[in-house]
Amino acid sequence: EVQLLESGGGLVQPGGSLRLSCAASGFTFSSYAMSWVRQAPGKGLEWVSGISGSGGNTYYADSVKGRFTISGDNSKNTLYLQMNSLRAEDTALYYCAKDRYVVIPAAIDYWGQGTLVTVSS
Amino acid sequence: QSALTQPASVSGSPGQSITISCTGTSSDLGAYNYVSWYQQHPGKAPKALIYDVSKRPSGVSNRFSGSKSGNTASLTISGLQAEDEADYYCSSYTSSSTLVFGGGTKLTVL
Repeated sequence: EVQLLESGGGLVQPGGSLRLSCAASGFTFSSYAMSWVRQAPGKGLEWVSGISGSGGNTYYADSVKGRFTISGDNSKNTLYLQMNSLRAEDTALYYCAKDRYVVIPAAIDYWGQGTLVTVSS
Repeated sequence: QSALTQPASVSGSPGQSITISCTGTSSDLGAYNYVSWYQQHPGKAPKALIYDVSKRPSGVSNRFSGSKSGNTASLTISGLQAEDEADYYCSSYTSSSTLVFGGGTKLTVL
């Protein structure tokens, strides 16, 4: 059974940093692309970033490019999202998501339960 | 990258069929067959319903079907049930190697 367990969310001041983690199990972590998707309170889904199964390719939405960094540790089956220079508009529930494909984030098939990030002074 | 365009809401009575549209551009939905649909109940994580335009993951009811024509994809739900009341999102791979979602459609079962 595929399981994705996010952690690391919390309250942070504008301009601050936070690192999210996603512990994956139930599948071969290095064989699938992974993504982070966020959902602001009462709003729709927004894709944030993706990474290929090998970790050699990373992808970012324009809204976070240069501020967020996605990475993965295949030895720990864990996905990360380093978030710097946080803004109020980054406040959201952040989902970790597994893709059906290896290289590109094209079709999410499993979602975690999310971790809440609140950016406020 | 602009979000794909979905109607804000649709409604239908139990037993009826409804269709939700998802409109993109020639740089995303029109260029690739990597179109997916997701169902999200309040307070829950999204669930995958359709991938690659019209394929259903194992365990998803065959009441859900997908199609695409040009820059517009569609999700059809037949035999509407009360449990289908939820938010529905489409997504597409883009020429920028990113993923883009639609704004979401709230389905009300009357």
